Amino acid sequence: GAGVSQTPSNKVTEKGKYVELRCDPISGHTALYWYRQSLGQGPEFLIYFQGTGAADDSGLPNDRFFAVRPEGSVSTLKIQRTERGDSAVYLCASSSGTALYGYTFGSGTRLTVV
Amino acid sequence: AQKVTQAQTEISVVEKEDVTLDCVYETRDTTYYLFWYKQPPSGELVFLIRRNSFDEQNEISGRYSWNFQKSTSSFNLTITASQVVDSAVYFCALSGTSGSRLTFGEGTQLTVNP
Repeated sequence: GAGVSQTPSNKVTEKGKYVELRCDPISGHTALYWYRQSLGQGPEFLIYFQGTGAADDSGLPNDRFFAVRPEGSVSTLKIQRTERGDSAVYLCASSSGTALYGYTFGSGTRLTVV
Repeated sequence: AQKVTQAQTEISVVEKEDVTLDCVYETRDTTYYLFWYKQPPSGELVFLIRRNSFDEQNEISGRYSWNFQKSTSSFNLTITASQVVDSAVYFCALSGTSGSRLTFGEGTQLTVNP
């Protein structure tokens, strides 16, 4: 596609529920990143994929968070047993190489846990 | 550990004024990369510039210019003759050699008033 597409753009869920956030990267981009941005803060790294594998998942805050990229293109970020503290904008980015080549970011998914 | 500090939380200027956004970073890496991103109200992060730690040459691109000083660990952005469309949150970010993840500062909200 022309840009990085994230769906849904907004998600409201109840505390304790499971959510999935989808990222469709630029076609041909091998690297995909997830970041989380809380209100008034800079984005925080969550996980980085190179192809289908997670090359660095050290930013995932706990085991309630998991991400997959089974075919090396679309990625899904999964959050189990959501908590109010998970409320944030979840940003996805893709790149033809590493971040050194410059990312293209999506518009994000705003997750609100009530 | 890497850290980026943007001490200016908010800046407000009148159109056509020049404005400088400050960025100070900390890293133990000898090779690293510095970035500036712009986040307009739409939410997408827009890449502005990347600099590597071996290149201290300052650069001008249109109305943007960058001042990189390793001696003070600073990487400041100046916008000349500001315009209302420059209103956005500006993020400074740092990456190590692998470029697999970015560490962002907390951002500076720039408001340009007509």
